[in-house]
Amino acid sequence: AQSVTQLDSHVSVSEGTPVLLRCNYSSSYSPSLFWYVQHPNKGLQLLLKYTSAATLVKGINGFEAEFKKSETSFHLTKPSAHMSDAAEYFCVVSDTSGTYKYIFGTGTRLKVLA
Amino acid sequence: EPEVTQTPSHQVTQMGQEVILRCVPISNHLYFYWYRQILGQKVEFLVSFYNNEISEKSEIFDDQFSVERPDGSNFTLKIRSTKLEDSAMYFCASNQQGSAGQPQHFGDGTRLSIL
Repeated sequence: AQSVTQLDSHVSVSEGTPVLLRCNYSSSYSPSLFWYVQHPNKGLQLLLKYTSAATLVKGINGFEAEFKKSETSFHLTKPSAHMSDAAEYFCVVSDTSGTYKYIFGTGTRLKVLA
Repeated sequence: EPEVTQTPSHQVTQMGQEVILRCVPISNHLYFYWYRQILGQKVEFLVSFYNNEISEKSEIFDDQFSVERPDGSNFTLKIRSTKLEDSAMYFCASNQQGSAGQPQHFGDGTRLSIL
C-alpha cells in the first residue's frame, strides 16, 4: 500500500528565510507525488507534481521539490518565505491501483513570522 | 483558469436529515472524486466516479452515501440520514484522464456541520 508521511505538523519561519517542509513516501512502484497548499477557507491548490521525469520539480510561487528515491523523500522548499506563504501544505501520492485516488499526508501548517 | 465550484460553502443540518452537496467540475473533465476532512484529521478519499458510475469507494462510503451526475455539469454527494460524525469539510475534485500523473483540481469545499 502507498502512503506519505509529513514529518512536521507545524513549521515556523521568519519572512525572507528558507522554507523546508518534509515528506517521505512509501510505494512499491514509481510514485506520482504532489504538493498542494490550502489557504484558510479555500480549496486545495496544486503547487507542483512529480511524475518520473526530472527529479527536481519547480512549482508555482517559487516552490520546488526534489524527488530522492534513495531516501524515499519529496521535500518541499522555497528559498525565501513570504507572509502570503502561511497556509497548510499537503504531500499527496496517487494510488497506482484502482482509480488513482489521492492518498494524503497529515499536513504541515506553515507559519511565517514578520 | 477553469475552476471546480462547490455549493453551499457551509451547510448546517439536524442529525438524521438528508443533505446534498453540489459540485460543478471543470467542463472537459471526465473523472470525479469526493474527499472529506474531519477537523484535525487528514483528508480522506470517499468515492470516484467515471462514465456515470462509481469506479471506486472507500470503507467510509457506506449505504448512507450516494453520488450522482444528474445532468451534464453537476456532480452531487448525498448523505441520506446524517450523523454527528459526518461533520467535516467535503471536497470535490476532477481531472481529465484519471491517470496517476494527472493532477486533480479541487473546489473550495463545503463545510458540513451536523447538530
